[in-house]
Amino acid sequence: ETGVTQSPTHLIKTRGQQVTLRCSSQSGHNTVSWYQQALGQGPQFIFQYYREEENGRGNFPPRFSGLQFPNYSSELNVNALELDDSALYLCASSLAVGNAGSEQYFGPGTRLTVT
Amino acid sequence: KQEVTQIPAALSVPEGENLVLNCSFTDSAIYNLQWFRQDPGKGLTSLLLIQSSQREQTSGRLNASLDKSSGRSTLYIAASQPGDSATYLCAVIVANRDDKIIFGKGTRLHILP
Repeated sequence: ETGVTQSPTHLIKTRGQQVTLRCSSQSGHNTVSWYQQALGQGPQFIFQYYREEENGRGNFPPRFSGLQFPNYSSELNVNALELDDSALYLCASSLAVGNAGSEQYFGPGTRLTVT
Repeated sequence: KQEVTQIPAALSVPEGENLVLNCSFTDSAIYNLQWFRQDPGKGLTSLLLIQSSQREQTSGRLNASLDKSSGRSTLYIAASQPGDSATYLCAVIVANRDDKIIFGKGTRLHILP
């Protein structure tokens, strides 16, 4: 059984640029959630995708967008990067039945630094 | 609005001691509560998941309890070891909200050899 993987591991971007982060969900999981974790804080929910459709969104601006593919892998795109976007971005997959809560399995994260 | 609070923010204890980490949440309408471990700069490792209908879960030296009516959960670690040093995060999965999962800020645990 393959766990959740994320790429790249680290990334440095300049303010105003765009970035794409990738996540491969655990085998058999159909739901992917993305989180932003600033230093010293708990992860903040960005959005969730269930069977290729957005299924909930946290308090993040529209320049944060995502996709889920037929194989349930996912991308997080951030446009017009700001210094405050510097954080660890975490992806989690789960097997959700409808909207019922289920155990989340996290990837190792992508460390994004915006200069 | 659901808020999750973890107390204490940091804790140092000698090796071998039993310890309790606390988590409280303001809205009892949750699907489940999950405890995670996070090593510095790393992702999250799931430790225990408690469904809303359950009162506790156990895995090895870890025991987590859930009291929905009072909005509290505890993570009990028995016979602590230096390898237990990490940040422990509590998260609730909420019912019928867009904010699917709400995390606390974590408790940084340091086990002294």
